[in-house]
Amino acid sequence: QVQLVESGGGLVKPGGSLRLSCTASGFTFSDHSMSWMRQAPGKGLEWVSHINSGRNTIYYADSVKGRFTISTDNAKNSLYLQMHSLRAEDTAVYYCARRDGDYWGQGTLVTVSS
Amino acid sequence: EIVLTQSPGTLSLSPGERATLSCRASQSVSSSYVAWYQQRPGQAPRLLIYGASYRATGISDRFSGSGSGTDFTLTISRLEPEDFAMYYCQHYGASFRTFGQGTRVQV
Repeated sequence: QVQLVESGGGLVKPGGSLRLSCTASGFTFSDHSMSWMRQAPGKGLEWVSHINSGRNTIYYADSVKGRFTISTDNAKNSLYLQMHSLRAEDTAVYYCARRDGDYWGQGTLVTVSS
Repeated sequence: EIVLTQSPGTLSLSPGERATLSCRASQSVSSSYVAWYQQRPGQAPRLLIYGASYRATGISDRFSGSGSGTDFTLTISRLEPEDFAMYYCQHYGASFRTFGQGTRVQV
């Protein structure tokens, strides 16, 4: 069965960096596009970034463009989100999802606070 | 940038009743790229409907989606206790994805 497991969340100071990972299993990772979404505490869902199956087309939400970088390692069935210049408003549960959301992981919490 | 507006914000119903949730896009979108998700407290979202009207794998036929252009609807024919949750619509375009702000279905 499809499984997505995020890791790497935690507490970071404003301006700091963090790298999230998502390990996929149960499907051919390299055949599918992947996405990161997030959800601030008590708020709705927000799309963050998307990478296509060819790993050569990437999109970002305006709120993270220039600060976040999505990448993959097909050999490790892994998706990453490198986050720099973190702000308080980046505090959220970060979810990885297959394609545009047909399967989701359970999420990892990122808290940006001094 | 396409904005999705969901209504109502909260829907108060009883088990067995019919729920009708609306999602309106700020401009016409292809129905091929409209999805609906359910999110229960403390859980990740779950895909219910894709392509505006196609049920995802394992989703009960109590859930149905419809619509085109700017207006899309999720209908839950007979509410079961486990259906009381948050529901989000989504548009997944070529270069941008967006979610509606959500509708809470509560008892």
